[in-house]
Amino acid sequence: QSLLTQPPSASGTPGQRVTISCSGSRSNIGSNYVYWYQYLPGTAPKLLIYRDDQRPSGVPDRFSGSKSGTSASLAISGLRSEDEADYYCAAWDDDLTEGLFGGGTKLTVL
Amino acid sequence: QVRLLESGAGVVQPGGSLSLSCAASGFTFSGSPMHWVRQAPGKGLEWVAVISYDGNNKYYADSVKGRFTISRDNAKNTLYLQMNSLSAEDTAVYYCASPPQSYRTAWYWGGLDYWGQGTLVTVSP
Repeated sequence: QSLLTQPPSASGTPGQRVTISCSGSRSNIGSNYVYWYQYLPGTAPKLLIYRDDQRPSGVPDRFSGSKSGTSASLAISGLRSEDEADYYCAAWDDDLTEGLFGGGTKLTVL
Repeated sequence: QVRLLESGAGVVQPGGSLSLSCAASGFTFSGSPMHWVRQAPGKGLEWVAVISYDGNNKYYADSVKGRFTISRDNAKNTLYLQMNSLSAEDTAVYYCASPPQSYRTAWYWGGLDYWGQGTLVTVSP
């Protein structure tokens, strides 16, 4: 059971906007930046968002991140079929001195 | 071009040991913290360990502390993970990863933008 809580699944139709939440605590999200990764099993995870809301070069601006208190969100607008993947939030935990990944959210494009 | 290439995949019996390697190229390995992240079958990503650029500082996930050892050889541009006392719960694809300088927020953390392709460790009788 991850200390960063994500919904196990999310879905949307092409063109829609979907959001994926990530809930943590004072010692992780509340104190440190949040990162978001896109993952297709069998491939390397891809960094989508760093430092809460920053996009690496090459990541479409359809992807955006936000944070408030001990929760964070990833929003995907203009949903495309190729966005169908697993999405993970991540943060450092100061109390545990460990990196944490959320449990992952499987996004289905209907 | 950044390349991280893991090796050492294999099948090992419970209680056994295995060593993984990650050969790096295309970036300043000797100046970069390095991580191991794993994904067990049907489960999510799990952070395993991090080592500082010079090898002097390390953090481990509680699930592997005391059993796994992360190390590096900067002269060989190679990262290692020595895994002892393996159990079925350690069965996973193991990835090495690193955050580029501009994505780091501390020596031990940042946006992991460099990833290997992963190597499969299976712990089975």
